[in-house]
Amino acid sequence: DIQMTQSPSSLSASVGDRVTITCRASQGISNYLAWFQQKPGKAPKSLIYAASSLQSGVPSKFSGSGSGTDFTLTISSLQPEDSATYYCQQYNSYPLTFGGGTKVEI
Amino acid sequence: EVQLVESGGGLVKPGGSLRLSCAASRFTFSSHSMNWVRQAPGKGLEWVSFISTSSTYIYYADSVKGRFTISRDNAKNSLYLQMNSLRADDTAVYYCARDSIGGGPPAIDSWGQGTLVTVSS
Repeated sequence: DIQMTQSPSSLSASVGDRVTITCRASQGISNYLAWFQQKPGKAPKSLIYAASSLQSGVPSKFSGSGSGTDFTLTISSLQPEDSATYYCQQYNSYPLTFGGGTKVEI
Repeated sequence: EVQLVESGGGLVKPGGSLRLSCAASRFTFSSHSMNWVRQAPGKGLEWVSFISTSSTYIYYADSVKGRFTISRDNAKNSLYLQMNSLRADDTAVYYCARDSIGGGPPAIDSWGQGTLVTVSS
């Protein structure tokens, strides 16, 4: 199975800050990497697929990059509504696997 | 807007069974592969199972293999998860998740609101 490791596990930032979350795969996954946002008590929301493509309706403040084993999610100009847990997930092969999550606090 | 509505969750005793359903609407259900993903209380996301558009390909996480069965009825726009021999560590919110359409491996692009399964005596 492919292991996904996210860092940091949590972070605190201020309104207007630029935040970067990293995700590392235990083996190469090309660009088959997705990012999800989950707010407390809510279902996850799909943000990014193919490492850097935004899902429909997702604001451009979210961006992703990377290929192979190392990936990043960047949130520019952090706002209170961005407070959530963010997960990466590889879909290169089954079983699909998620990172442990990064809790972003404002 | 895509709609995925799970149902069938509840309280069940260890060793018991439960069948989850996911009703899909506002998109062509038969064109999308589907997944079940779960989340134990206070924990992260765990993929459970995948089913292709015509049920040709089915995959399971090792943690549920031999106990859970995924299925779909394209005529009824519905996805199912039959869960048998339930254990306490199956306690979780279960989400129905739709895959995108396109070349290459599909990415999850939509999620239901989830249904809670609690396994306890």
